[in-house]
Amino acid sequence: QKEVEQNSGPLSVPEGAIASLNCTYSDRGSQSFFWYRQYSGKSPELIMFIYSNGDKEDGRFTAQLNKASQYVSLLIRDSQPSDSATYLCAVNGGTGGFKTIFGAGTRLFVKA
Amino acid sequence: EAEVAQSPRYKITEKSQAVAFWCDPISGHATLYWYRQILGQGPELLVQFQDESVVDDSQLPKDRFSAERLKGVDSTLKIQPAELGDSAMYLCASSAQSDSLRTDTQYFGPGTRLTVL
Repeated sequence: QKEVEQNSGPLSVPEGAIASLNCTYSDRGSQSFFWYRQYSGKSPELIMFIYSNGDKEDGRFTAQLNKASQYVSLLIRDSQPSDSATYLCAVNGGTGGFKTIFGAGTRLFVKA
Repeated sequence: EAEVAQSPRYKITEKSQAVAFWCDPISGHATLYWYRQILGQGPELLVQFQDESVVDDSQLPKDRFSAERLKGVDSTLKIQPAELGDSAMYLCASSAQSDSLRTDTQYFGPGTRLTVL
């Protein structure tokens, strides 16, 4: 079982729609959760981090964390073509200690 | 805005040759990370430094890879000899601090794209 799992996609949504990206993790003791955006050929760029159960909103982005279900998601409202990228989920803490484990990413395509 | 610097941005080498990558973290960031990212996969941690000390190098292929951060600031990752399977993006990241409960946010440099022929 992979430690951090994401659907590889591609996830295709029309411009203006809500994109929902999901991530599950195996280490129940994980403490920190991050979402990164990565454009093709570029390095990851932090979008959001979340530590506590519930929702965290930042502009068009909302991160949702459910530690009981070991599930973290990212919602992108009013999706734009410029949001087309790979979204990486990253998890830290628990038995992994300081080590951050990344998922393989979900490719998002926003159609104009 | 402070950024993580890496060089070179691109490197093409032949197998069995030696290559070296350099990283300068954001000023004041104590923790420095080297990741390898193969196309279609997420970044995989190779080595993590806290100041000049190695915190985790469990996934570093030590027979050919070495990393150092002598003064606790910039860092060098070396591969000798390079193999075809080493072709990947090598990413450096830094964060302000790392403690037992929560890891601070990591900021990535632009990466070095390595191609081994």
